[in-house]
Amino acid sequence: EPEVTQTPSHQVTQMGQEVILRCVPISNHLYFYWYRQILGQKVEFLVSFYNNEISEKSEIFDDQFSVERPDGSNFTLKIRSTKLEDSAMYFCASSERRENIQYFGAGTRLSVL
Amino acid sequence: KNEVEQSPQNLTAQEGEFITINCSYSVGISALHWLQQHPGGGIVSLFMLSSGKKKHGRLIATINIQEKHSSLHITASHPRDSAVYICAVVLINDYKLSFGAGTTVTVRA
Repeated sequence: EPEVTQTPSHQVTQMGQEVILRCVPISNHLYFYWYRQILGQKVEFLVSFYNNEISEKSEIFDDQFSVERPDGSNFTLKIRSTKLEDSAMYFCASSERRENIQYFGAGTRLSVL
Repeated sequence: KNEVEQSPQNLTAQEGEFITINCSYSVGISALHWLQQHPGGGIVSLFMLSSGKKKHGRLIATINIQEKHSSLHITASHPRDSAVYICAVVLINDYKLSFGAGTTVTVRA
């Protein structure tokens, strides 16, 4: 069964460093999303991506964040200069069409020290 | 402003019991999702519904659009059903999911 793949599963970084979280969405899906979940809190939307551009972003998604689809398969989230408060679980999701169910990856746990 | 409210926050059941989790929302939506989050953190989509009822195995999801309410039922619960169950909505003309805080379900053998 097709699945969304995220790497790495756990990333530890020093404050101020850049990190890139990687996602491989399901191959025929056209809509891509990043969400995050700070420990003990609910899942929050970060950004959605369609047709090689951002379709919507939240207030959390400031200039420190960027997304890219560098080739036909990968979808990446970059945090330019990590802060302690960026520590969270980051989930990638994809859907075939906007109105379809979203499939989630297993998540990347980011720990900023 | 909390658009999605879930109840109860925590639920403990004995194996075999029927479980109901509730979700209420305050805005117009195009769809509602039920998700399961495992202890390791991964999220699995269980259902997406915009009307009526869906069933998959021992799980049943219902939605009442007029009352802005949805329920997730687990029949004949099993310890492997222990997880956090999350309700999330898609607002009309929107792409993203807006999440509830989740219901932690523990099923004891």
